[in-house]
Amino acid sequence: DAGVIQSPRHEVTEMGQEVTLRCKPISGHNSLFWYRQTMMRGLELLIYFNNNVPIDDSGMPEDRFSAKMPNASFSTLKIQPSEPRDSAVYFCASGSPGHLGYTFGSGTRLTVV
Amino acid sequence: ELKVEQNPLFLSMQEGKNYTIYCNYSTTSDRLYWYRQDPGKSLESLFVLLSNGAVKQEGRLMASLDTKARLSTLHITAAVHDLSATYFCAVGVQDSNYQLIWGAGTKLIIKP
Repeated sequence: DAGVIQSPRHEVTEMGQEVTLRCKPISGHNSLFWYRQTMMRGLELLIYFNNNVPIDDSGMPEDRFSAKMPNASFSTLKIQPSEPRDSAVYFCASGSPGHLGYTFGSGTRLTVV
Repeated sequence: ELKVEQNPLFLSMQEGKNYTIYCNYSTTSDRLYWYRQDPGKSLESLFVLLSNGAVKQEGRLMASLDTKARLSTLHITAAVHDLSATYFCAVGVQDSNYQLIWGAGTKLIIKP
């Protein structure tokens, strides 16, 4: 099992550009989370999918952020346009059926300059 | 408001000592998770506690859950430097499809 796979690992982009982060959950896991982590704000839940359906997106900061899960094996988080305050580490995590465990990906370190 | 409170938030300790991190939560839950995060790394699952009275141990770490008191503890026995990390607890909220509510994390530094 390769675990939760996120790409890219690092992304440096200019303010105003579109950024797309990608996540491949563990096969068989039916829940998927996108988190953002910063020193100032800690770990924040952005959006939560269950069986590919968004359950709670109340953590998405604003309309510049959008997330999709077109199938059980792929999810994207898009920021358009990006701003310097979006700089953070973005984690994707997937959860096993029955919510018996959640596995995090390695994260994408985003820097917006 | 659902809250998960960890204490202490910061702990500096000597090798060989025993310490406990506490995780209090404000809602009914039957699922409590402990994670470890090393600097610059991802979160690694340590324990999943699924019932009242559950106790799990891995090496020098032992976690327990008291659902009636809404309290979980992470006990460190004879600490070693390699256990230096930030430890998070998270509560699964059943009414919200087991969405996780996270504690702020406890940064643990173990000095030789």
